[in-house]
Amino acid sequence: EAQVTQNPRYLITVTGKKLTVTCSQNMNHEYMSWYRQDPGLGLRQIYYSMNVEVTDKGDVPEGYKVSRKEKRNFPLILESPSPNQTSLYFCASSSTPSSPPQPQHFGDGTRLSIL
Amino acid sequence: AQSVAQPEDQVNVAEGNPLTVKCTYSVSGNPYLFWYVQYPNRGLQFLLKYITGDNLVKGSYGFEAEFNKSQTSFHLKKPSALVSDSALYFCAVSPLGTYKYIFGTGTRLKVLA
Repeated sequence: EAQVTQNPRYLITVTGKKLTVTCSQNMNHEYMSWYRQDPGLGLRQIYYSMNVEVTDKGDVPEGYKVSRKEKRNFPLILESPSPNQTSLYFCASSSTPSSPPQPQHFGDGTRLSIL
Repeated sequence: AQSVAQPEDQVNVAEGNPLTVKCTYSVSGNPYLFWYVQYPNRGLQFLLKYITGDNLVKGSYGFEAEFNKSQTSFHLKKPSALVSDSALYFCAVSPLGTYKYIFGTGTRLKVLA
């Protein structure tokens, strides 16, 4: 089954404790992206990747890091989490970053609570 | 600044009636436009997209959207709403020549039996 898998689905942690949210897709997609969803703000793009070793900032990259060492994986790293990063996070992928862009496939989300 | 507006937080419609969920955008050039739907505790699912061509785009589950360049709008429509259409709907744009996506704040659709 074609899917985007995020882990963990839920995490409660404390300020300053480094964490990684993993994202993996099995569709051989080139394009991957991370979003955060907050009430009243919709989805905001954090980082995206056009292919292996090619990443760029979205609209809200502060406090986050990403890497794309393999095509299928695109982990989101919070080096020193803070309470304002409490949010619902989504990973997404699409077949190609080229114009026109293709529809994105989304994971089921990771709910992070940072105390 | 580039932005997407969904002016209604919630839309209520009776089952069987037509529905419209509004979206306007402020993006330079001709963007690519998308609608996604989100059900509780799930990720977003693609409904339809506008790339170029016919201003009326048909998508999944009987949904369609009308692109209006002069009004910079991309409203989502369905001729006859179902209770199962109740969900959160997001409009998104990808500005031409970028790999970025800008989403609206979402509109919660409630279809009443």
